[in-house]
Amino acid sequence: DVVLTQTPVSLSVTPGQPASISCKSSQSLLHGDGKTYLYWYLQRAGQSPQLLIYEVSTRLAGVPDRFSGSGSGTDFTLKISRVEAEDVGIYFCMQTVQLPLTFGGGTKVDIK
Amino acid sequence: QITLKESGPPLVKPTQTLTLTCSFSGFSLTTSEASVGWIRQSPRKALEWIGIIYGDDDKVYNPSLESRLTITKDTSKTQVVLTMTNMAPADTGTYYCGHGLDLWGQGAVVVVSS
Repeated sequence: DVVLTQTPVSLSVTPGQPASISCKSSQSLLHGDGKTYLYWYLQRAGQSPQLLIYEVSTRLAGVPDRFSGSGSGTDFTLKISRVEAEDVGIYFCMQTVQLPLTFGGGTKVDIK
Repeated sequence: QITLKESGPPLVKPTQTLTLTCSFSGFSLTTSEASVGWIRQSPRKALEWIGIIYGDDDKVYNPSLESRLTITKDTSKTQVVLTMTNMAPADTGTYYCGHGLDLWGQGAVVVVSS
């Protein structure tokens, strides 16, 4: 199985400051079709995971542009340019290039 | 507007079979491009992919769970049913169904305990 390792495990951020989360894969997530199948989700307390970004860097409609995804191959990053109170929760990366689909262990973000 | 809702027993005894129903609206599960997936989350918040069913009735299961799983669909009722046999305490968690990978239901909490 593809193992996704997220760091840090937790992050405390001052509102208005940036935040960055890393997701490293045990195998390349580049598919033969040329796409890289790495997703980012945010799970707020008491809610289901909400898709933010797919295929490394494409934001889902309605996701604020302060969220950005980057990376290639095995190393990926989710950045929040200016953290807001509503960004609190657990962030997960997920890969779909190889079965079974697998998730990272999550990064908990809270506000200082 | 797409919505999904999971329903099923909140408590299951060890060795019993779990049956969860995903009732959805706002899309049709009749084409090969459409799909409903299942994931679960442990009490420690770890996420695990369970499986997926496509509109053409193709199914893909997590190999680690495949021997215990069945996912079926009833398009006339816009429902998908997940069946998992031989439940154990390690299967305790919140089970989510989703429209592909982009929208998940509110989740159903399942506790496996005698």
